[in-house]
Amino acid sequence: SAVISQKPSRDICQRGTSLTIQCQVDSQVTMMFWYRQQPGQSLTLIATANQGSEATYESGFVIDKFPISRPNLTFSTLTVSNMSPEDSSIYLCSVEAQGLREKLFFGSGTQLSVL
Amino acid sequence: QQQVKQSPQSLIVQKGGISIINCAYENTAFDYFPWYQQFPGKGPALLIAIRPDVSEKKEGRFTISFNKSAKQFSLHIMDSQPGDSATYFCAAKQGAQKLVFGQGTRLTINP
Repeated sequence: SAVISQKPSRDICQRGTSLTIQCQVDSQVTMMFWYRQQPGQSLTLIATANQGSEATYESGFVIDKFPISRPNLTFSTLTVSNMSPEDSSIYLCSVEAQGLREKLFFGSGTQLSVL
Repeated sequence: QQQVKQSPQSLIVQKGGISIINCAYENTAFDYFPWYQQFPGKGPALLIAIRPDVSEKKEGRFTISFNKSAKQFSLHIMDSQPGDSATYFCAAKQGAQKLVFGQGTRLTINP
């Protein structure tokens, strides 16, 4: 199994500011995923982060709004830029289990509220 | 085509009862169907999964029933316990493509 530490666990931010969320994994992983979970909604994949290359963004998500860093095989950050109240959501970091491509492990998430 | 539709949105079951959550899909190329369980303040965790070559998979009190012709699959929780109270997500995947999640079901087990 993989242990994922995500921080901050929650934050309240002002409109127009940016927040960087950190994700640390206890083992080396090839791909890391960032999801958004809006209140009472499903999980939506924002982007896939590979070490050494640019992140791949899903439709509806752009790098200017959600820049991602992946400096090594155990760490990634997601920045939510120029925030608006519509960005209020839970942001989740996820990795695939080693050798089990279908099994995802998730961090505990970052609860973001934008005022 | 890529959607997975989950119902009900919320469910209340008495302790000891059977909880049933349903999911439907359109993409016949989906080949992996997991269920995730999420407790408040935690990320989702894989509960049980099935592939379309079997019609049922059981792990303890949790069973997935899969109906390929109807393009539906469901999660059954037998002898439901208050500790099962959580949000449950079904999902589906095609090959190496991303998981597509259902909308989630908030399950409450009353003692």
